[in-house]
Amino acid sequence: DTAVSQTPKYLVTQMGNDKSIKCEQNLGHDTMYWYKQDSKKFLKIMFSYNNKELIINETVPNRFSPKSPDKAHLNLHINSLELGDSAVYFCASSQDVSETGELFFGEGSRLTVL
Amino acid sequence: AQSVTQLGSHVSVSEGALVLLRCNYSSSVPPYLFWYVQYPNQGLQLLLKYTSAATLVKGINGFEAEFKKSETSFHLTKPSAHMSDAAEYFCAVSENGSNYQLIWGAGTKLIIKP
Repeated sequence: DTAVSQTPKYLVTQMGNDKSIKCEQNLGHDTMYWYKQDSKKFLKIMFSYNNKELIINETVPNRFSPKSPDKAHLNLHINSLELGDSAVYFCASSQDVSETGELFFGEGSRLTVL
Repeated sequence: AQSVTQLGSHVSVSEGALVLLRCNYSSSVPPYLFWYVQYPNQGLQLLLKYTSAATLVKGINGFEAEFKKSETSFHLTKPSAHMSDAAEYFCAVSENGSNYQLIWGAGTKLIIKP
C-alpha cells in the first residue's frame, strides 16, 4: 500500500487551462504539504494543512488553491496555467507540524504546460 | 536567516569508494538537520536527521552524517558506494523544529561509476 499517493503522475496541458492534482495519505498523519520542485531540483514549500486547516501559505500566486476535504486528503487546483508552472509537484505528510519528524513524500506529479 | 549550501551539484564516485556529500548551513540557533534521498522518478525519503542528540547520526542504507557546530556542517558519508546509491540527495535545516519551515539545499546528484 502506498503511504502517500498522488494522481495524476503526469499531466500535459495547454496554457490557460485549469487542472487539479489529488493527494491521499493512509498514514493517519495530521499534517499535509504541497511542494514544488523546479527543473533545477530546487524544492519550495507551497502550502501546509494541519487537520484540514491551512497553516502556511507561502508566496504562491492565487491561481493555486489547495483544498483539504479531510485530513487524509489535500488537493491542489491550478487556474489559468502558465508556462512557469511546469514543474514536479510533491505532496507530503507528517505526523504533526510542530514535531520534527519525518516527511513522507508522494512520487510526484509532473506538470508540463505547453 | 537560515540557509543551506550543498557543495557540488554532481558528485561522481566509483563503486566501492567513499561517498562524501557536503552540506553547510547558517542558523542563529542550534538547528535540526536532515538528509533526504530522491531516487529517479520517486518522492523524497528521509535518510537521517540530527535533533540535538548525538553528533554522529546513523541512517538507512549505511549512510551517516556528523554535525560539526564549529564548521556549521552536516556532511553525509558512506564508506563504500553501491550502484543502488545513485540518486539525488538533499540537505535540509529547520531552526525551530517545525516541519513546514524546512529550508532545503539545492541537491547533489550522486553518480556511481562501475
